[in-house]
Amino acid sequence: KQEVTQIPAALSVPEGENLVLNCSFTDSAIYNLQWFRQDPGKGLTSLLLIQSSQREQTSGRLNASLDKSSGRSTLYIAASQPGDSATYLCAVNSGGSNYKLTFGKGTLLTVNP
Amino acid sequence: ETGVTQTPRHLVMGMTNKKSLKCEQHLGHNAMYWYKQSAKKPLELMFVYSLEERVENNSVPSRFSPECPNSSHLFLHLHTLQPEDSALYLCASSQAPVTDTQYFGPGTRLTVL
Repeated sequence: KQEVTQIPAALSVPEGENLVLNCSFTDSAIYNLQWFRQDPGKGLTSLLLIQSSQREQTSGRLNASLDKSSGRSTLYIAASQPGDSATYLCAVNSGGSNYKLTFGKGTLLTVNP
Repeated sequence: ETGVTQTPRHLVMGMTNKKSLKCEQHLGHNAMYWYKQSAKKPLELMFVYSLEERVENNSVPSRFSPECPNSSHLFLHLHTLQPEDSALYLCASSQAPVTDTQYFGPGTRLTVL
């Protein structure tokens, strides 16, 4: 059974700092991994999707890496801003067409002005 | 309206009530999903529909009954729920099932008394 762990559970940083969020998964046989952002009381917003054949994806100040063999992914946020404050969720698709999508509990990020 | 919309945004119901949650996507996607998000627990995938056909049911109790009348609409019919069913119910859609980026609605906050 696939399990996804996100560390840390919460992180507080000053504005402008670069930071890394971690995601680990127990079964390395995955099809893709996705990072989401969730604001309080709202739905999820997709940030980056990395296919199993890829090593990283970049979008603006965000960079996500994937090391499938070690069961790890990181989300790097450069020059953090107060607007980045949210919960960041990692989700692993380990079933392909069998739709086995497993989420971590998330990391609550607070960026202080 | 654009994206994925959900109604109602908040719902309070008794254990003997019958209610329905509605989701509509305006993105021309082929797949739709229901998720449950409970406090302190990871997001759980409940149902997946691909081209209006249910393709996944993750051991969800029969008191939750999904319906997908067309590729743009998804319902979750609720009856004789339990207090532990109180949660945020999120709908999502994607072009292809699970392997593609998912777009989420804002969710329905359900409270079962």
